[in-house]
Parts: sequence; C-alpha cells; structure tokens
Amino acid sequence: KAGVTQTPRYLIKTRGQQVTLSCSPISGHRSVSWYQQTPGQGLQFLFEYFSETQRNKGNFPGRFSGRQFSNSRSEMNVSTLELGDSALYLCASRGGGFYGYTFGSGTRLTVV
Amino acid sequence: TQLLEQSPQFLSIQEGENLTVYCNSSSVFSSLQWYRQEPGEGPVLLVTVVTGGEVKKLKRLTFQFGDARKDSSLHITAAQPGDTGLYLCAGGSGNTPLVFGKGTRLSVIA
Repeated sequence: KAGVTQTPRYLIKTRGQQVTLSCSPISGHRSVSWYQQTPGQGLQFLFEYFSETQRNKGNFPGRFSGRQFSNSRSEMNVSTLELGDSALYLCASRGGGFYGYTFGSGTRLTVV
Repeated sequence: TQLLEQSPQFLSIQEGENLTVYCNSSSVFSSLQWYRQEPGEGPVLLVTVVTGGEVKKLKRLTFQFGDARKDSSLHITAAQPGDTGLYLCAGGSGNTPLVFGKGTRLSVIA
C-alpha cells in the first residue's frame, strides 16, 4: 500500500511569509501527527488530528496551525515565518493501538 | 512533561563491532518504539515493545524494554555500514502523542 506522502519536499520562503504543507496518510489511517525536527531540539510534537478533530497540541505558538479533511488528508500552516522555523517538518499516520507511526519523507523548509 | 534521554549522542565504530544504545526516562510508558532515520528521509519504525522485560530480535538488532517500562536498549551485533543512521526511541501512552528522544547518530566505518 502507498505510504505517507508529503508535499512539497523542499521549500524556501522569506521571513514574514506564510506556508502550507500537505500530508496524505496511509489509506485507512485516521490519525495524522505533525512534528518539527531540528538538529538541536530533535523531533518536537506540533499537533495530532483524528477524524478531522485536533486531538493533541504541542507547545508551539499560534502561528502554527493545522487541519484535517474528511479523507484524512492534513495540512499545516505557518504564518509570519521566522528564521527559526527552518526545519524538517514530518507528518506521520497510524492505525491505532500500539502500532507505530509511519512517517512521510518530510518537507524541508528554509526561511531566509 | 515526559522526557526520553538517549545515550550516547554520537557513536562511531568499525565494521564488525558491537554496540548498545540506551533510552531512559523517569516516566512509565505503555509502549516504546525504536526508529531509524537516514538523511533526507523520515524515521522508519524498527520495533514496538509493550511488556516490561520484553526482548525482541530483528536480525542483528536486539531490543529490550525495562521491567519498569521506563527504559529501553538497542544492541547491534557485528555492525555493518548499512546500520549507519540516526536511531530514535519514542515512548507512548494511550492517545497521547509519541515523545521522542533526541537520537543517537551511529556511523559504522568499513
């Protein structure tokens, strides 16, 4: 079956702009989580969506937002970009229980 | 706040050597997972352990979950260059988000 698909793979934006990242989970998975990965902080949890509802939220400012559609696809948006937002943004889906996450390849965001 | 500490942060070894990576927490987790991540890609799940004291083997990799479900270890026997990558442990409980350690970057030199 198809894995988790994230688009775009690479993105360069200017400070102050906004960006939208997309994630298509594995078919049948209703849970989609987003993580920010940086060399210094590792993987930090942004938010999780389950059946179009935000189930969990990490400690990120309100500039970071997300949503999930009825087909389980998810988007995250970052407004008013800052240099510190440069990171690899990872999306993961899971089927529930103790099953692990299946990650996408990520979107590498560079803010200049 | 649940935290997972991984050690060592960096490891560089020769092909054929054995190594152990540790993952420790003061919190109890319902499950603990290990992932491997290669440059430019997302982490890939290696194993999930859910029972205290559980040991799982995946070819040359042996994973152990501590009796109190607060710690775990990953042991690699006869490391190969293909084992090079970032190894991440992650703890989960119910529907709370997975908490990740910062990872151990392993380099196996031929």
